[in-house]
Amino acid sequence: GQQVMQIPQYQHVQEGEDFTTYCNSSTTLSNIQWYKQRPGGHPVFLIQLVKSGEVKKQKRLTFQFGEAKKNSSLHITATQTTDVGTYFCSGGSNYKLTFGKGTLLTVNP
Amino acid sequence: NAGVTQTPKFRILKIGQSMTLQCTQDMNHNYMYWYRQDPGMGLKLIYYSVGAGITDKGEVPNGYNVSRSTTEDFPLRLELAAPSQTSVYFCASIIKSGSKNEQFFGPGTRLTVL
Repeated sequence: GQQVMQIPQYQHVQEGEDFTTYCNSSTTLSNIQWYKQRPGGHPVFLIQLVKSGEVKKQKRLTFQFGEAKKNSSLHITATQTTDVGTYFCSGGSNYKLTFGKGTLLTVNP
Repeated sequence: NAGVTQTPKFRILKIGQSMTLQCTQDMNHNYMYWYRQDPGMGLKLIYYSVGAGITDKGEVPNGYNVSRSTTEDFPLRLELAAPSQTSVYFCASIIKSGSKNEQFFGPGTRLTVL
């Protein structure tokens, strides 16, 4: 079955440093979503990417979808303590999604 | 709109007991999902439904059952609880707006089986 892998599993940064998490799929994806889960909370939708090579920005967050639509990345510029949490990517068919294991980001103030 | 609601928030079960995790959404979404999340792990799909009366197995369905008699409700049933079912359970629903597949998650149910 489809597999979605994320690296790194953990990342600890100093506040103000940049952060990047990568997502790789074993198959070509029709689209990919990114979610953020705060400690003790539930996943919250951040964004969806659909087009090959697509780049989207949300303030300090930059999302990219690979040309082959098998990989994606999330980059956070100048991290803040509010960025703490686990970032998940998910992809799959239009209604059945496979989630990566996530990247846990901790930020030292 | 309340979004996706789940009850209970916490539950402790003994081995062999049964229970139903409730999930309700008031957004008129057709697609609903049940996931489990083990510590440090991602979300694993248990069951999903694409509409009332239609359900299908996900990645880890063993030990669980679901039903979807209405658009709003998607309960998850554990018949014979086992320690391996200790986890956090999330219900989610999807809005289909063009090609946007934003999943709305409930707050989760933390289940411990002893």
